Amino acid sequence: GAGVSQSPRYKVTKRGQDVALRCDPISGHVSLYWYRQALGQGPEFLTYFNYEAQQDKSGLPNDRFSAERPEGSISTLTIQRTEQRDSAMYRCASSFPPGLAGALQDTQYFGPGTRLTVL
Amino acid sequence: AQKVTQAQTEISVVEKEDVTLDCVYETRDTTYYLFWYKQPPSGELVFLIRRNSFDEQNEISGRYSWNFQKSTSSFNFTITASQVVDSAVYFCALSSGSSNTGKLIFGQGTTLQVKP
Repeated sequence: GAGVSQSPRYKVTKRGQDVALRCDPISGHVSLYWYRQALGQGPEFLTYFNYEAQQDKSGLPNDRFSAERPEGSISTLTIQRTEQRDSAMYRCASSFPPGLAGALQDTQYFGPGTRLTVL
Repeated sequence: AQKVTQAQTEISVVEKEDVTLDCVYETRDTTYYLFWYKQPPSGELVFLIRRNSFDEQNEISGRYSWNFQKSTSSFNFTITASQVVDSAVYFCALSSGSSNTGKLIFGQGTTLQVKP
């Protein structure tokens, strides 16, 4: 596809349930990022993948959050035992690897996001 | 520590007015990148511009212009002759050149409302 896609676009779940959010990056983009955006705030970094390697997970808030990208393309962000405070927009972005030469080589392009509501 | 501050929470203008959105950043890195993204009411996050710390040349793209000043650690965004379609939340973001991840640090965003 032309851009980053995410599914589902909206997810409503009950407290205590597990959810899995999917991201399909732009073809050829080896870097993949997950961000979380609370209402009225800017996005906050969660985790970063370079190909299939999770190189930075410093932004994951606790061990209920995990992410994987087993084949270096599609990524899944999983939240176990969801809590109401997990309600937010979850955004995925992809880019070429950081540090490459060229003005736009590592610009991050974002998907439409998944709006998660935990009741 | 790296930080981005967008002090203006909300701005309201009348169509055709010029408007400037402020962005102040903090970083100890000598190499870094600054970005602006637009979030229209539909919710997606749209890339507008990327600048690196070695290029202080101002940029103009149609009605949009950006003023990068390292001396004041600012990267301000001006919309000339604003239009209703410019109504959105605008985010300024920073990434460190020394980071091996390129993760973005976002400001809180400025909500721009352009009234007809």
